[in-house]
Amino acid sequence: EAQVTQNPRYLITVTGKKLTVTCSQNMNHEYMSWYRQDPGLGLRQIYYSMNVEVTDKGDVPEGYKVSRKEKRNFPLILESPSPNQTSLYFCASSFASSGVYGYTFGSGTRLTVV
Amino acid sequence: AQSVTQLDSQVPVFEEAPVELRCNYSSSVSVYLFWYVQYPNQGLQLLLKYTSAATLVKGINGFEAEFNKSQTSFHLRKPSVHISDTAEYFCAVSRGGSNYKLTFGKGTLLTVNP
Repeated sequence: EAQVTQNPRYLITVTGKKLTVTCSQNMNHEYMSWYRQDPGLGLRQIYYSMNVEVTDKGDVPEGYKVSRKEKRNFPLILESPSPNQTSLYFCASSFASSGVYGYTFGSGTRLTVV
Repeated sequence: AQSVTQLDSQVPVFEEAPVELRCNYSSSVSVYLFWYVQYPNQGLQLLLKYTSAATLVKGINGFEAEFNKSQTSFHLRKPSVHISDTAEYFCAVSRGGSNYKLTFGKGTLLTVNP
């Protein structure tokens, strides 16, 4: 089944403790992206990647890192999480030929930083 | 830059009533437009998309949307809603071509009451 898999689904952590949220897709998509969803703000892009070893900042990149060493994986790293990063996070992927396809989304990771 | 405005943050309706969720976009170039649905505690699922073919687009679950270039709108409609349509709906825009970014609106919560 074609899908984007995120782990974990739920995570509670403490301020300052480094964490990684994994994202993997099995559709051979070139383009991958991370979004955060907050009430009343919709989805905002954190980082994106056009292909292996090619990443760039989205609209709200502060406090986050990403890497794209393999085509299928695009982990999101919070090196020193803070409470304002409590949010619902989505990974998404797409073919890079154009924006016509839209994205396939993962099921989300609900992160709470205390 | 592209942007999306969803004109209603919440839309309550009764079961079997028609519904329209409004979306306006802003872009200086041709665009692709999308509607996504998010059921409670789930990820985003593509409902339908406009990619410069027919202006009336039919999607899943009986939804349709009409692209209106002169009014820069892409409103989502359903003639008769069900309880199971209760969800949050997001309008999104992409410029396509080499720009893959999807920009989302802030969402409209559709609540269908018995």
